This record gives sequence, structure tokens and C-alpha cells, in this order.
Amino acid sequence: ETGVTQTPRHLVMGMTNKKSLKCEQHLGHNAMYWYKQSAKKPLELMFVYSLEERVENNSVPSRFSPECPNSSHLFLHLHTLQPEDSALYLCASSQRETSAYRELFFGEGSRLTVL
Amino acid sequence: QKEVEQNSGPLSVPEGAIASLNCTYSDRGSQSFFWYRQYSGKSPELIMFIYSNGDKEDGRFTAQLNKASQYVSLLIRDSQPSDSATYLCAPRAGSYQLTFGKGTKLSVIP
Repeated sequence: ETGVTQTPRHLVMGMTNKKSLKCEQHLGHNAMYWYKQSAKKPLELMFVYSLEERVENNSVPSRFSPECPNSSHLFLHLHTLQPEDSALYLCASSQRETSAYRELFFGEGSRLTVL
Repeated sequence: QKEVEQNSGPLSVPEGAIASLNCTYSDRGSQSFFWYRQYSGKSPELIMFIYSNGDKEDGRFTAQLNKASQYVSLLIRDSQPSDSATYLCAPRAGSYQLTFGKGTKLSVIP
């Protein structure tokens, strides 16, 4: 138990569906992240929310839309995905301090399959 | 383009031996370095971090950093079957972003 909870753990969706992934952290951290992990590829940072500021990887397609209503909750809204978006989506949190961030704590991940 | 190179393995070592995992990175601005362990089907968990050149020891784990050579390694002494996992190297340059390598899969043979 890392203190970062993701739901659902598994999701199968068609290309025309709309779904959302949810993440909640119980660690009192002030930064949350979405990462994508595909087979044989390194972990890819998608989005960072820190102190209500959003930073994103410019290569992430617009069919992925993040939402961070408060420092403990993070969503990833999915719309008209492609089969190549099938991957493990990992949420993480960390503590942002004056000029740096501490280590990441990961959730267990949401395994997404797009048919 | 920031790159982190790790031998994907699998690296097989007998139980009780020393496992040596290596990582090179391209971004000279990297200041701190993290090693994560990821069991199959699980999420990554932090096992070591290092900021300064030289060695840092924590139990059976030793991280080694050489910034001039842009090289960081992880040694696991007295390897156990429970150490079988994928080990991810992650340098940090700047305030927050970690760049992960693809990971090295370690297999400890009983």
C-alpha cells in the first residue's frame, strides 16, 4: 500500500467510448502525475499538477484530458482512444518543496485495453 | 533529447551473488538519481537515490554515481530470488521531471 489509489485497475473500452481514470493520494503531497507505461518503452510522463499549476508533455494527444480538482485527486479523461493507447497508466504523487520535488510514490496502475 | 540507457537484460545471477545494474544518461544537468524496482504486474517502488559522486549504501544495496562519466549503477549484494524484478534508473534534471530508462530485468536463480 503506497498511499496512492487508482481506479479502475483494469479497463477495456472501444474507440468511441468515453471513460475516466481516477487517482487519489493520502500522503499529503502537493504534486500529482500521470505516467504511461507501454511494453518495451520507458515510463513516459504525460501530465504534472503542482500547486494548481499544470505542466504537460506536448506530445500527449488531446484525446487524453487531465483534471485535478484538488491536491488529493487526479483524473484522466479518455475519449476516442486508439488501440496504440493500450498501456498501463500510472498515477504518482510527490512533495514539491522550495526548489525541488521529492521522490515519486506510484499507484498500482490502471491497465487500459482499447479495442 | 534526454536519454537514459539501461541494458534490458535479462540479467541472470545465482542466489548469493552480486548483481550489478548499470545506467548511463545524456543530460549533464542531471543532479539526482533514483533507482526504482518494479515487480511484474506491480508499480515502481523507490529503493535508492543518490545526489553526490561516489557510493551510497543502504543494506544490501549500493548506488554508485560518476557524474563526469554520466554513469550510475546499482549493486545488490547477496542477491535473493525476491530481488527478481525490473530495475528502473531515473535521473532528475531540473526541479521535478524524472526521465526513466527502459529498465533492466534481473533474475536471481535459486
